[in-house]
Amino acid sequence: QVQVQQWGAGLLKPSETLSLTCAVYGGSFSGYYWSWIRQPPGKGLEWMGEINHSGSPNYNPSLKSRVTMSVDTSRNQFSLKLRSATAADTAVYYCATGTVDAFDIWGQGTVVTVSS
Amino acid sequence: DIQMTQSPSSLSASVGDRVIITCRASQGVRNDLGWYQQRPGKALKRLIYGATNLQSGVPSRFSGSGSGTEFTLTISSLQPEDFATYYCLQYNSFPQTFGQGTKVEIK
Repeated sequence: QVQVQQWGAGLLKPSETLSLTCAVYGGSFSGYYWSWIRQPPGKGLEWMGEINHSGSPNYNPSLKSRVTMSVDTSRNQFSLKLRSATAADTAVYYCATGTVDAFDIWGQGTVVTVSS
Repeated sequence: DIQMTQSPSSLSASVGDRVIITCRASQGVRNDLGWYQQRPGKALKRLIYGATNLQSGVPSRFSGSGSGTEFTLTISSLQPEDFATYYCLQYNSFPQTFGQGTKVEIK
């Protein structure tokens, strides 16, 4: 059974780069696309993008200019970087994947606050 | 982007009630539709995939129906642990998009 565990810095200043990592355990890393999804406080969910084990990403056009996703296949990990963070990027960030259709496996979530 | 509109945005119900939540897509998504439950402070849990398929381990009181642009999630007999927020997700087209959520509260 695939499981994921995520971590990263929880407090940023405006203009800094948000950086999160998700590790995959107990299953195939190469068989799926790995996504990042975020949820601002009191608001809805936004799919940020995905990446596969080959490092081929698909980004949400709304964030494409600021997002970079990468993979480390030696560690079964994938990462998110979001440049030029603002208060609007304050959110809970989740890593997720779909082993059967979309998003049946979720990380525990990381609260990221952008504040001066 | 495909817009997913859920209704109602919130509802109050009692234990044992039948609850129906609707999700409408701004364009057809075939049956590439999932339903998720989120309890406060927790990650999303998938209930339904492919519009009608029950996720393994999810109680059978949950069911999904629909295809194309109109979908429903039905809880046949609401239980105390079902008070939560529910989201639909379309994964037919990039970017994948969620509904705004339906909060189910205790009456």
